[in-house]
Amino acid sequence: QQKVQQSPESLSVPEGGMASFNCTSSDRNFQYFWWYRQHSGEGPKALMSIFSDGDKKEGRFTAHLNKASLHVSLHIRDSQPSDSALYFCAASEHSGYAQGLTFGLGTRVSVFP
Amino acid sequence: DMKVTQMPRYLIKRMGENVLLECGQDMSHETMYWYRQDPGLGLQLIYISYDVDSNSEGDIPKGYRVSRKKREHFSLILDSAKTNQTSVYFCASSPGHTNTEVFFGKGTRLTVV
Repeated sequence: QQKVQQSPESLSVPEGGMASFNCTSSDRNFQYFWWYRQHSGEGPKALMSIFSDGDKKEGRFTAHLNKASLHVSLHIRDSQPSDSALYFCAASEHSGYAQGLTFGLGTRVSVFP
Repeated sequence: DMKVTQMPRYLIKRMGENVLLECGQDMSHETMYWYRQDPGLGLQLIYISYDVDSNSEGDIPKGYRVSRKKREHFSLILDSAKTNQTSVYFCASSPGHTNTEVFFGKGTRLTVV
């Protein structure tokens, strides 16, 4: 079973709209989360990390973490065609030690005009 | 321009042949990684390296070995490639040994026939 689960698998959002998707860890050791984005033919690129409960905003992107439920969400406001990509949630056990990330299967976002 | 470079980008090998995937980074990052990406399985960690000759197994190391003789280079070796090793392989790096942003290369698409 995937330790990091993402939903939905895919979604379509109109240009200028809000895209929202979710991530849950089934392993309570995984408490530190990242969001990565991968465009077709490219490697994943980090969008943001979230290690503390609550919201974290970076530009048009807002992440929310609930550590009690190990639930993370990402919201993209004013979606642009360039936001069309595969979005990965990634988790790790430590905030201060690099051990490799455990990735979910991703949510594919399509922004249509 | 900070980047992780992978060579070659595409590779076709016959079953039983040896495969060498090479990776370089120009950011003087201490930590480097090899992941593979497969549909339905997402990104899986093969090996992590904390510095020259300091390598640790990831989640799926079987059938692979690595070599890191210089901080900026990290190689993935498949001895006697198998068809189930057909995948897209990503090299990545991160600064220090803490849980910071991981920078990915563009990947190598390996087909074993």
